[in-house]
Amino acid sequence: GAGVSQSPSNKVTEKGKDVELRCDPISGHTALYWYRQSLGQGLEFLIYFQGNSAPDKSGLPSDRFSAERTGGSVSTLTIQRTQQEDSAVYLCASSFQGTASTDTQYFGPGTRLTVL
Amino acid sequence: KNQVEQSPQSLIILEGKNCTLQCNYTVSPFSNLRWYKQDTGRGPVSLTIMTFSENTKSNGRYTATLDADTKQSSLHITASQLSDSASYICVVLDLQRGFKTIFGAGTRLFVKA
Repeated sequence: GAGVSQSPSNKVTEKGKDVELRCDPISGHTALYWYRQSLGQGLEFLIYFQGNSAPDKSGLPSDRFSAERTGGSVSTLTIQRTQQEDSAVYLCASSFQGTASTDTQYFGPGTRLTVL
Repeated sequence: KNQVEQSPQSLIILEGKNCTLQCNYTVSPFSNLRWYKQDTGRGPVSLTIMTFSENTKSNGRYTATLDADTKQSSLHITASQLSDSASYICVVLDLQRGFKTIFGAGTRLFVKA
């Protein structure tokens, strides 16, 4: 497809387990972003990849969260030892350049994570 | 206190009517201000992007305004349609200090027939 895709769409896990969330950006987009949207709260920036530059990890809430972007395309967000407060919708977005001030970000449908 | 405040929290209007959503921010400096529409269960969709030097930007029935002096932005929706029912999110980006992105909590709009 032409848009950003994410998998799985829903993930239910037990507290303490590790989870991996996947994002396939739009082909040709050099910038990729991860966000989190908790129930009843606004969106929260997590991490930003731009080309081959070191990612901006300033939004990651703890060292249990990490992300990789292999080959400048697909990205995986990993949450280790999940906690109930990690329950949220995790959204991925991509954009053509990222550094351009008016670069449009295109969002995927999100992965709804539920930690029991 | 959130650096991006949106009002009202929710709004109900009749189909065909106009409405205006507000966004006040304290983020300074900033690179651009964006409005997104988010349907339930979906990712946000970009409506408008304005740099600090722009005053207004239109996208169909959506018109965003920006007053950098008072640090206020508004999103005006003309001739509302049932499909406009969604959350509208104001976002301020400051690209001068890494990737600083501040989201408002959103305004939930309900358009009724």
